[in-house]
Amino acid sequence: KAGVTQTPRYLIKTRGQQVTLSCSPISGHRSVSWYQQTPGQGLQFLFEYFSETQRNKGNFPGRFSGRQFSNSRSEMNVSTLELGDSALYLCASSPYRDGEAFFGQGTRLTVV
Amino acid sequence: GIQVEQSPPDLILQEGANSTLRCNFSDSVNNLQWFHQNPWGQLINLFYIPSGTKQNGRLSATTVATERYSLLYISSSQTTDSGVYFCAVNNNAGNMLTFGGGTRLMVKP
Repeated sequence: KAGVTQTPRYLIKTRGQQVTLSCSPISGHRSVSWYQQTPGQGLQFLFEYFSETQRNKGNFPGRFSGRQFSNSRSEMNVSTLELGDSALYLCASSPYRDGEAFFGQGTRLTVV
Repeated sequence: GIQVEQSPPDLILQEGANSTLRCNFSDSVNNLQWFHQNPWGQLINLFYIPSGTKQNGRLSATTVATERYSLLYISSSQTTDSGVYFCAVNNNAGNMLTFGGGTRLMVKP
């Protein structure tokens, strides 16, 4: 069974640009959640989707948004990029509303 | 929100030694997981253990939910055990994990 797949793996963007990251969950999993990891703030929850509905949202500005499609694949978008958005973005999928989470390999975003 | 604290923050061991990593949390939880982050950044699942004890090879974990802590035991450590270990908990409806700050483990040959 394939794991959680995130694309792209690496990304370099310029301040002010926008970026879209993609996450394909494990087959059959309906919950997808996103996390940001930085050296200063650690691992922080961004948002979670279940059956195309956002159920929880972390404490991040409105520049961070996401969505989930009917096949459970999810995308997150960051607009007007700032240097501080440079981070490892991790996606996790779970089969249930509150079950074990399995993580993808992450997308490393660098904003210059 | 719930607070998660891990200790120690850093740990250096000789190969073959045993270790215990601790995770304290401030409220009742319905999910607790231990992860090992590999050098490429991926979080590898070690245990899903909201309560009780589990073992997987040289690793075992115990969660005492009533006292709000979990322990991860690593026996006969190997250099490949090096990396950062995270504890994460969920105490609401949905899959929203709150992570501890991690324990950075270095195993020397």
